[in-house]
Amino acid sequence: GENVEQHPSTLSVQEGDSAVIKCTYSDSASNYFPWYKQELGKRPQLIIDIRSNVGEKKDQRIAVTLNKTAKHFSLHITETQPEDSAVYFCAANTYNKLIFGAGTRLAVHP
Amino acid sequence: EAQVTQNPRYLITVTGKKLTVTCSQNMNHEYMSWYRQDPGLGLRQIYYSMNVEVTDKGDVPEGYKVSRKEKRNFPLILESPSPNQTSLYFCASSLGTGDDTEAFFGQGTRLTVV
Repeated sequence: GENVEQHPSTLSVQEGDSAVIKCTYSDSASNYFPWYKQELGKRPQLIIDIRSNVGEKKDQRIAVTLNKTAKHFSLHITETQPEDSAVYFCAANTYNKLIFGAGTRLAVHP
Repeated sequence: EAQVTQNPRYLITVTGKKLTVTCSQNMNHEYMSWYRQDPGLGLRQIYYSMNVEVTDKGDVPEGYKVSRKEKRNFPLILESPSPNQTSLYFCASSLGTGDDTEAFFGQGTRLTVV
């Protein structure tokens, strides 16, 4: 079955720096890769997703890249702000379900 | 307002005492699922349902039951809770088959089994 690995588990950056979180997946049939943000004590919420027919997608300060050949995808956050501090989860789809990575705790220090 | 509602938000119970966590969505979604979140393990799917009366096991179904008698409700049942089921639980719903569209999560239920 699908396995999603996410790195790093924790990431600390200074405000204004960039942050990159990487995920790998195992099922070559996966074609949908969402990213969720979970603020402290809150529910996970979708921030961006990408489908296998594109290699990159941007939404303001966040972007996701996908390399289907290598089976990895990454989340890029530029000009980080303290409100970006949260746990981020990547996911990949497999038959009728999403498989989530273990999460990355991002801390943005003023 | 479109939402997924779970109850209760917090629950402390004793080993072996049956409990039910309710989940309801008002978006007319076919797909609903339950996840548990544990430190370092991410979100792991317990059970999912693709429509009324259609349920299937996720990756960690042992010790849990679900039912889907109505489209909007998807309760999670722990017949005989054990301490290893202490966790943060999320219900989610999404359109279609659930594997290629946004998942909308409930507020979460923090369960402690002593």
